[in-house]
Amino acid sequence: EAQVTQNPRYLITVTGKKLTVTCSQNMNHEYMSWYRQDPGLGLRQIYYSMNVEVTDKGDVPEGYKVSRKEKRNFPLILESPSPNQTSLYFCASSGWREQFFGPGTRLTVL
Amino acid sequence: QKEVEQNSGPLSVPEGAIASLNCTYSDRGSQSFFWYRQYSGKSPELIMFIYSNGDKEDGRFTAQLNKASQYVSLLIRDSQPSDSATYLCAFRGGNNDMRFGAGTRLTVKP
Repeated sequence: EAQVTQNPRYLITVTGKKLTVTCSQNMNHEYMSWYRQDPGLGLRQIYYSMNVEVTDKGDVPEGYKVSRKEKRNFPLILESPSPNQTSLYFCASSGWREQFFGPGTRLTVL
Repeated sequence: QKEVEQNSGPLSVPEGAIASLNCTYSDRGSQSFFWYRQYSGKSPELIMFIYSNGDKEDGRFTAQLNKASQYVSLLIRDSQPSDSATYLCAFRGGNNDMRFGAGTRLTVKP
């Protein structure tokens, strides 16, 4: 079964405390990406990766880091989270004509 | 000017009617176009992918793409209450980044 997993699903943290949200896919896709979704703003791409060791900035990369050391994994790192990063985050894995989203991570930064 | 414009809705149609959702985009380098359905509290689900001008049909869904007018639409025939959701259009830009509209909320009334 095609699957994108994200962990954790819910996270409440405090300003400045580094965190990592993991993402893993089992479809051997080369393209993976991270999005945040905020009310009224839709989905905005944070970073994307065309392949291992290849990452590019999306629409809203400030305050985020990513790495792609293995094809299946694409973690999102917030080195010093701030309250404006409170959002719903989705990881996605894509082939040319398909895209599967993970279940989402709801992050609250106090 | 936003890169992807969608009517935010809400759009309300009676059961059995045709729901028409529209989207315009500004990036002429866009290569491929997507429609997603997102139920409240869930992750987006891809329902249509189109990359060439014209119509593409899949069951009750028809996507229409007009690259000259930078316009893509989604028609849902015989709308059902289970179609009630937010519909997101998106395109893959010339840099392989993904841009999403803010979504149109559709309600199908029994």
